[in-house]
Amino acid sequence: SAVISQKPSRDICQRGTSLTIQCQVDSQVTMMFWYRQQPGQSLTLIATANQGSEATYESGFVIDKFPISRPNLTFSTLTVSNMSPEDSSIYLCSDNGGGPYGYTFGSGTRLTVV
Amino acid sequence: QKEVEQDPGPLSVPEGAIVSLNCTYSNSAFQYFMWYRQYSRKGPELLMYTYSSGNKEDGRFTAQVDKSSKYISLFIRDSQPSDSATYLCAVSTNDYKLSFGAGTTVTVRA
Repeated sequence: SAVISQKPSRDICQRGTSLTIQCQVDSQVTMMFWYRQQPGQSLTLIATANQGSEATYESGFVIDKFPISRPNLTFSTLTVSNMSPEDSSIYLCSDNGGGPYGYTFGSGTRLTVV
Repeated sequence: QKEVEQDPGPLSVPEGAIVSLNCTYSNSAFQYFMWYRQYSRKGPELLMYTYSSGNKEDGRFTAQVDKSSKYISLFIRDSQPSDSATYLCAVSTNDYKLSFGAGTTVTVRA
């Protein structure tokens, strides 16, 4: 299975600023996903990122708030824009593991907005 | 109604006990069923997956799926302190998107 390096591992940011999270996969993958994990809650899918096309966002998430880039088959970024304390969460990326299960996750970015 | 409901726990068991974790799902279109384990400050790692009703065993772990009742379970036999983690059930269709339960935190006491 793939190995995904995610950074930063944590950050404390001022409200109104933006943070870009990076995920690097050690092999080429067709699909990458971005999730949010709020304390005590399940992982919620933000968007699906495919190389060469715009990301597909889930209900409740918009491109202006969470712009995503997917410049090649091994890399993706998620930006959390114009942050507020409600954006404090853990953000995770994953690949699709070549099938509908068996996905690999990054170690997560723990974001605190003050 | 959430797509996946998971018993919230937390669970605390003595070493050697059997751990039983459960989830229910609402959409019969889900075809793939997974259990992930997440240690503190780490990303989820896949424990087991299956796509059919019945049992699947892997060492001390058994995953059970009952599609007729939309119920999935994970059993951990001879639990060890190293099994202390949060366990997440997940389901998906052919669209590759995972829907997760909220997770159950398990503590195995030495």
